[in-house]
Amino acid sequence: GENVEQHPSTLSVQEGDSAVIKCTYSDSASNYFPWYKQELGKGPQLIIDIRSNVGEKKDQRIAVTLNKTAKHFSLHITETQPEDSAVYFCAAYYDKVIFGPGTSLSVIP
Amino acid sequence: NAGVMQNPRHLVRRRGQEARLRCSPMKGHSHVYWYRQLPEEGLKFMVYLQKENIIDESGMPKERFSAEFPKEGPSILRIQQVVRGDSAAYFCASSPREGTNTEAFFGQGTRLTVV
Repeated sequence: GENVEQHPSTLSVQEGDSAVIKCTYSDSASNYFPWYKQELGKGPQLIIDIRSNVGEKKDQRIAVTLNKTAKHFSLHITETQPEDSAVYFCAAYYDKVIFGPGTSLSVIP
Repeated sequence: NAGVMQNPRHLVRRRGQEARLRCSPMKGHSHVYWYRQLPEEGLKFMVYLQKENIIDESGMPKERFSAEFPKEGPSILRIQQVVRGDSAAYFCASSPREGTNTEAFFGQGTRLTVV
């Protein structure tokens, strides 16, 4: 079955700096890669996604890249703000969403 | 258009009791997924259902756990004879259609505490 790895598990950045989270997946049949943000006590919120027919997608301060050959995908957050502090999950989707273990991001004011 | 609705938000059960968790998908969504999240851990897939059908239950424990998504009404995750290890947050997600690249939207979860 699908397995998704995610690094780092924790990440601290200064406000205004960039944050990068990297993931790898195992099932080459996966062709949809969503990213979720989970704040304390809440459900995961879809923040951006990318499909296998594109290599990069950007939405304001958030961008995702996908390398299907290497089975790598990454989340980039620029100009980080304290409200970006949360746990971020990457995921790979074939017939169900399989999540990575999560990255706890702390943005220090 | 309301999002995915889960209730109750918090549920306390004594060991040996039954827990019933409900999930109403977004309007127009006919696919439901259940996930379990232990404290400080990620989301683990449990079961995938369409109306009146279980599509994939590969993540469900073999005993005490069951799920249904009837033609009318919410999806139900049922845990019989709960034990302390069942304490977790249970999240439901829904999507509008079958497919390999369909967005799934999550509810706020039910936090089950077994005492």
